[in-house]
Amino acid sequence: QVQLVESGGGVVQPGRSLRLSCAASGFTFSSYAMHWVRQAPGKGLEWVAVIIFDGSNKYYGDSVKGRFTISRDTSKNTLYLQMNSLRADDTAVYYCARDLAPTVTYVFDSWGQGTLVTVSS
Amino acid sequence: DIQMTQSPSSVSASVGDRVTITCRASQGISSWLAWYQQKPGKAPKLLIYGASSLQSGVPSRFSGRGSGTDFTLTITSLQPEDFATYYCQQANSFPPSFGGGTKVEI
Repeated sequence: QVQLVESGGGVVQPGRSLRLSCAASGFTFSSYAMHWVRQAPGKGLEWVAVIIFDGSNKYYGDSVKGRFTISRDTSKNTLYLQMNSLRADDTAVYYCARDLAPTVTYVFDSWGQGTLVTVSS
Repeated sequence: DIQMTQSPSSVSASVGDRVTITCRASQGISSWLAWYQQKPGKAPKLLIYGASSLQSGVPSRFSGRGSGTDFTLTITSLQPEDFATYYCQQANSFPPSFGGGTKVEI
């Protein structure tokens, strides 16, 4: 079965960097677009970024564009999110999610358990 | 960007009740609408996509309708495990966006 396991969250000071990882198993990782979606404490869901199946195209939400970078390593079946210049409003649980189809549909059919990032001095 | 508005923000219901949640898009999104269920401390779970297509493994008491700007999620005969927060999400235009959520409470 599809399994997505995030790691790398923690407490970080404003302006610093953090890299999240998402280990994928149970499906052909190289065939699916992958996303990051976040949820601030007690708030709703916010889409963050997507990378298509071969890594050739990446798209970002306005709130993270220029600061976050999504990438993938097919040899390790792992998705990454490099987060730079972190701000307090980046505090959230970050989920990796698989796209419903190999092409980008922006429908998320499998989710990891999430990893909490707290930006605080 | 497309804004998604859900109503109500919360609803109190009992086991066996029929519950309907509404989602409205700020502009037409055809049938590019998904519904997710989220329980406290857990990841969201896809219930419905394409406005009315039931995701594999999701009970048939969940159903979705609508197109354009107005959509509904209906849960017939509410079960104890259905008490959760439900989110709609548009997948028609970049960036994808979610509604604010509807909490279904006992």
